[in-house]
Amino acid sequence: DAGVIQSPRHEVTEMGQEVTLRCKPISGHNSLFWYRQTMMRGLELLIYFNNNVPIDDSGMPEDRFSAKMPNASFSTLKIQPSEPRDSAVYFCASSLGGDRPSYEQYFGPGTRLTVT
Amino acid sequence: GENVEQHPSTLSVQEGDSAVIKCTYSDSASNYFPWYKQELGKGPQLIIDIRSNVGEKKDQRIAVTLNKTAKHFSLHITETQPEDSAVYFCAASGSNTGKLIFGQGTTLQVKP
Repeated sequence: DAGVIQSPRHEVTEMGQEVTLRCKPISGHNSLFWYRQTMMRGLELLIYFNNNVPIDDSGMPEDRFSAKMPNASFSTLKIQPSEPRDSAVYFCASSLGGDRPSYEQYFGPGTRLTVT
Repeated sequence: GENVEQHPSTLSVQEGDSAVIKCTYSDSASNYFPWYKQELGKGPQLIIDIRSNVGEKKDQRIAVTLNKTAKHFSLHITETQPEDSAVYFCAASGSNTGKLIFGQGTTLQVKP
């Protein structure tokens, strides 16, 4: 299996621009998680989906952040408008999930976002 | 909600020595405790995990112990090698949703 795939790997954008991060989970996995990693706050869960449905978005920092999962093999995290404090590494992870909880999460390589 | 504390934040050992990283959690309902290794520029990689019905688990040079009464768990790496140098994260999950709460991370440096 190719593992969790994220794109782009690096993104540099100017403040105020829209940013879209993309994730393809491991085939057959039903749960998908978006995390943000910074030196100050560590690894933070932003939102997660089970069977394409958002289950918990309490970690989404504010309305500028939105996430979608239109099908089982694709998810996006969008920031509009972006701000310098959004600069971080964003990870996508997936697990078997589904009707029974599955805790083993497998992470993608991450997208390093820099907002100038 | 769950809170996970991890210590130490940095750890430096000589090659061949053992390394121990400790975590405590707050939610007594937590029942799954994974450990992740993150190398520079990469995503966290699951290296070992333990569930609440087990007190210890080993996989070659790494082992994890769990004390549910005290609500703490530890990662033990024996015969450390330079390639073990990385950031290690513990996590806990207590809900039926598979949601993980991560510790702050430990930067392990193994000196050759």
